[in-house]
Amino acid sequence: AQTVTQSQPEMSVQEAETVTLSCTYDTSENNYYLFWYKQPPSRQMILVIRQEAYKQQNATENRFSVNFQKAAKSFSLKISDSQLGDTAMYFCALRSGYALNFGKGTSLLVTP
Amino acid sequence: NAGVTQTPKFQVLKTGQSMTLQCAQDMNHNSMYWYRQDPGMGLRLIYYSASEGTTDKGEVPNGYNVSRLNKREFSLRLESAAPSQTSVYFCASSDLWGNEKLFFGSGTQLSVL
Repeated sequence: AQTVTQSQPEMSVQEAETVTLSCTYDTSENNYYLFWYKQPPSRQMILVIRQEAYKQQNATENRFSVNFQKAAKSFSLKISDSQLGDTAMYFCALRSGYALNFGKGTSLLVTP
Repeated sequence: NAGVTQTPKFQVLKTGQSMTLQCAQDMNHNSMYWYRQDPGMGLRLIYYSASEGTTDKGEVPNGYNVSRLNKREFSLRLESAAPSQTSVYFCASSDLWGNEKLFFGSGTQLSVL
């Protein structure tokens, strides 16, 4: 069975600061993919960043980057220069095969 | 390009009533999914269809049935709704598997009284 754990239910950061959201996972597969999704109050699910497990290089997308530690099964998301529009739920997810398994989410509040 | 379209957006049911949530995608994706989202629980997979003609149970299938009507459409049916099925339901689709992201619909807020 695959599991995804997000240990921070809520976090807060000031505008322009940097914040890191934690995620750990467990899988017996060697070939898998990791994702961070953002869900703003509009409820829409938006892909933030993805990482292939076979790639050692950490993925980056503008202000968003990950720290992928395969041996430790850790996949944290760093948001730099936080903006008010980053306020949302963030879900870590693991995919091996067809389905995507999600963590319980971290609610991030960006304050002025 | 509409992407993934779910209907209805909101629904209120009484315990024991039945209803079908509709989902359609226009991206020619092979795989489609139904998730439910509950506070503090994240998104949990109910059923999925890896390709047209196949369906499989996910993590929380009890109380639900699905139909992959064709490549575009994947419906979720509640035969006898229960208050425990109050949730937000998301349909999603993807092409192939692996690093392909899922495209999500905008969700259905369902309340069962």
